[in-house]
Amino acid sequence: AIQMTQSPSSLPASVGDRVTITCRASQGIRNDLVWYQQKSGKAPKLLIYAASSLQGGVPSRFSGNGSGTDFTLTISTLQPEDFATYYCLQDYNYPWTFGQGTKVEIK
Amino acid sequence: QVQLQESGPGLVKPSQTLSLTCTVSGGSISSGAYYWNWIRQHPVKGLEYIGYVYYSGSTYYNPSLKSRVTISIDTSKNQLSLRLTYVTAADTAVYYCVSRSGYVTSWGQGTLVTVSS
Repeated sequence: AIQMTQSPSSLPASVGDRVTITCRASQGIRNDLVWYQQKSGKAPKLLIYAASSLQGGVPSRFSGNGSGTDFTLTISTLQPEDFATYYCLQDYNYPWTFGQGTKVEIK
Repeated sequence: QVQLQESGPGLVKPSQTLSLTCTVSGGSISSGAYYWNWIRQHPVKGLEYIGYVYYSGSTYYNPSLKSRVTISIDTSKNQLSLRLTYVTAADTAVYYCVSRSGYVTSWGQGTLVTVSS
């Protein structure tokens, strides 16, 4: 199975900050990379698919980049509602595999 | 967009079988537009892909679980099901059913299953 390495695991930040989360695949996955946001007690919410395509209804401050093995999720200006845990997922092949998660928390 | 709702026992004894159902609304489980997936989230280990079923009945299972898992659909009830045999404490997790159409996934709210005697 493809291994997804996500970093950092914890990201202290303040409202207004620009934050970047990284995900690295153990082999090339083209642009078959998804980003999710998860809040406590809730199901993951789709933010970005195909590495850089914004899901409908997701604010434009979220952006994704990358191809092959290295990917990033950037929040341009962190808002209070963005404090959450973020996961990457490769859907290049089965079994889908997830990163370990990045908890964006209040500094 | 379809809505998904998981249901089933919240507590299962070790060595027994975990059985969950996912009811689909807002769309037909017989639609060839969707793959129907199960994913679980362990308290510590994170998110793990279990497998999928397609409307035709074809399935894929994660090799790590393949010997113990069965995913099926019931078109008359618009439901999909998950069976996991010989459970242990390591199977304690929140179980999600997830639809996939093109690039878009929709998740149920999840159901917590605890394996304990």
